[in-house]
Amino acid sequence: DQQVKQNSPSLSVQEGRISILNCDYTNSMFDYFLWYKKYPAEGPTFLISISSIKDKNEDGRFTVFLNKSAKHLSLHIVPSQPGDSAVYFCAASSRASYGKLTFGQGTILTVHP
Amino acid sequence: EAQVTQNPRYLITVTGKKLTVTCSQNMNHEYMSWYRQDPGLGLRQIYYSMNVEVTDKGDVPEGYKVSRKEKRNFPLILESPSPNQTSLYFCASSLSGQGVNEKLFFGSGTQLSVL
Repeated sequence: DQQVKQNSPSLSVQEGRISILNCDYTNSMFDYFLWYKKYPAEGPTFLISISSIKDKNEDGRFTVFLNKSAKHLSLHIVPSQPGDSAVYFCAASSRASYGKLTFGQGTILTVHP
Repeated sequence: EAQVTQNPRYLITVTGKKLTVTCSQNMNHEYMSWYRQDPGLGLRQIYYSMNVEVTDKGDVPEGYKVSRKEKRNFPLILESPSPNQTSLYFCASSLSGQGVNEKLFFGSGTQLSVL
């Protein structure tokens, strides 16, 4: 049972435009959400996170939006750059299960020059 | 340099031959965890450890063992590997594994092939 789903396996965007990556979750106990970026032959690296008490968190070109009623979060990258081309994973955790972190399947983002 | 180090980077083995993948972190992190990455399934948690001598199962623990005898090391043991354990494995650590401290630092990965 996939509790965190990224339904778009891939996304292609032109440089300078906005990239929107989506993530849905089913477990209402999740209260903390993170995005990780992964380049080939490297481990994932932390990008941005958001607590369930917020609906938006911004860090430079990256903004994460959380819609708790829809159990949906999205990552916006503006403007997109070729160096953003990577696999993006969303992840979720719950205070009720400290230490357990559930990831989505990942979305491959390609930013074309 | 703060890092999580996994060894080996690549490993080819045969069914049933016990193996250990090592993981070490130099950031004095309390929390460590193992994940496997498979196409279409993303990253799935195998085991995690909140502190020394404290380990717990993740979502896919079958066929794996771990130990946490020291804070810096968290080896992953496959007692009798099978072909369905062919995967890309990642070790990760974080300060405490709780709340705002759940930002994970990942190793570079171990590509395991079981023939």
